[in-house]
Amino acid sequence: ETGVTQSPTHLIKTRGQQVTLRCSSQSGHNTVSWYQQALGQGPQFIFQYYREEENGRGNFPPRFSGLQFPNYSSELNVNALELDDSALYLCASSSSDRGLETQYFGPGTRLLVL
Amino acid sequence: AQKITQTQPGMFVQEKEAVTLDCTYDTSDPSYGLFWYKQPSSGEMIFLIYQGSYDQQNATEGRYSLNFQKARKSANLVISASQLGDSAMYFCAMREALYNQGGKLIFGQGTELSVKP
Repeated sequence: ETGVTQSPTHLIKTRGQQVTLRCSSQSGHNTVSWYQQALGQGPQFIFQYYREEENGRGNFPPRFSGLQFPNYSSELNVNALELDDSALYLCASSSSDRGLETQYFGPGTRLLVL
Repeated sequence: AQKITQTQPGMFVQEKEAVTLDCTYDTSDPSYGLFWYKQPSSGEMIFLIYQGSYDQQNATEGRYSLNFQKARKSANLVISASQLGDSAMYFCAMREALYNQGGKLIFGQGTELSVKP
């Protein structure tokens, strides 16, 4: 069974640029959630994708957007990067968007905005 | 309001001893799940244990057990026979079944556990 994978592992961007982060879900999982974890904090929910549709969203501005593909992999796009966007971005997959299924996380992408 | 509180920023434990990490939560949803994750310095969030709000017994997974006290809204993680590899950040998280259809996990601030040899 393949776990959740994310790419790239590290990324450095400058303020105002755009970035795309990628996530492959665990085999058998059709739901992907994205989280932002600032240094010293717990992860904050960005949004969730189920069947290629955004299924729920946290308190993040529209410049955070995403996609889910037919193979259930997903992308997180952030436009007009700000210094505060520097964080660890975690992707998690689960077997359903309903109920209380466990979300399994990938290794994360560390983004630094200069 | 949905909330998870972990009041211990840092904890120390001697190798081979047991340790309890505290977690309290707040929700008005009658159906919810509580999760504990371990985050080593590498960053990956590793799932440890799950407790459903309707589960009658406390969850156990190997050396991990969850002390679930529903009336007190607490879900403490107990790690028995600590090992050096247990040194990491530990996060308590909650997901609501009825009031939160968007799959959001709400995390606490975390507890950093250090195991001493």
